[in-house]
Amino acid sequence: DAKTTQPPSMDCAEGRAANLPCNHSTISGNEYVYWYRQIHSQGPQYIIHGLKNNETNEMASLIITEDRKSSTLILPHATLRDTAVYYCILVSGYALNFGKGTSLLVTP
Amino acid sequence: GAVVSQHPSRVICKSGTSVKIECRSLDFQATTMFWYRQFPKQSLMLMATSNEGSKATYEQGVEKDKFLINHASLTLSTLTVTSAHPEDSSFYICSARDPGLGHNSPLHFGNGTRLTVT
Repeated sequence: DAKTTQPPSMDCAEGRAANLPCNHSTISGNEYVYWYRQIHSQGPQYIIHGLKNNETNEMASLIITEDRKSSTLILPHATLRDTAVYYCILVSGYALNFGKGTSLLVTP
Repeated sequence: GAVVSQHPSRVICKSGTSVKIECRSLDFQATTMFWYRQFPKQSLMLMATSNEGSKATYEQGVEKDKFLINHASLTLSTLTVTSAHPEDSSFYICSARDPGLGHNSPLHFGNGTRLTVT
């Protein structure tokens, strides 16, 4: 799987949108962009994924640039419970290879 | 949605003993399950791929004789840490995807097992 680059940490005020960037300049045509998050001492939780179109679900929105070299996960109204490590992962079937992710801290 | 259940959530054992961790897919059949390990303040590392009815495949550096994997049914994979030592203390997590949703469907994870070897 191609590598991704994420900022190690970000802060966000409660109620504001959290925009988490991810660079994946070497993504190949058949690789999906997946986002997971891990709250302390729990298993990773699936958030959203996409191939080239923007996606939205009840948890978040995923914006993928036209050249697919970067993407942004948007949590529209962050809550304290969104504090977690967020992982951006490129997948073409098989297992997931986790990078270091972004540690998001949502503050009151 | 797809649910993966892991048991136990926490286990403490003495050095030299063996510990078995179970991973179950609750509402789908999984021919393949994945086992990860996570040390404190580090990311998840893939240990092995569990294949129903055949041998598991291990990632480089993971000892297959120490981490025994059995995938005896389409809903159950077990990881046994044999002759555990303090350095095996870690957070072990399993995952699986529902094959009925396609090979690019999301992997779902169990809630992990915190192993402490004293």
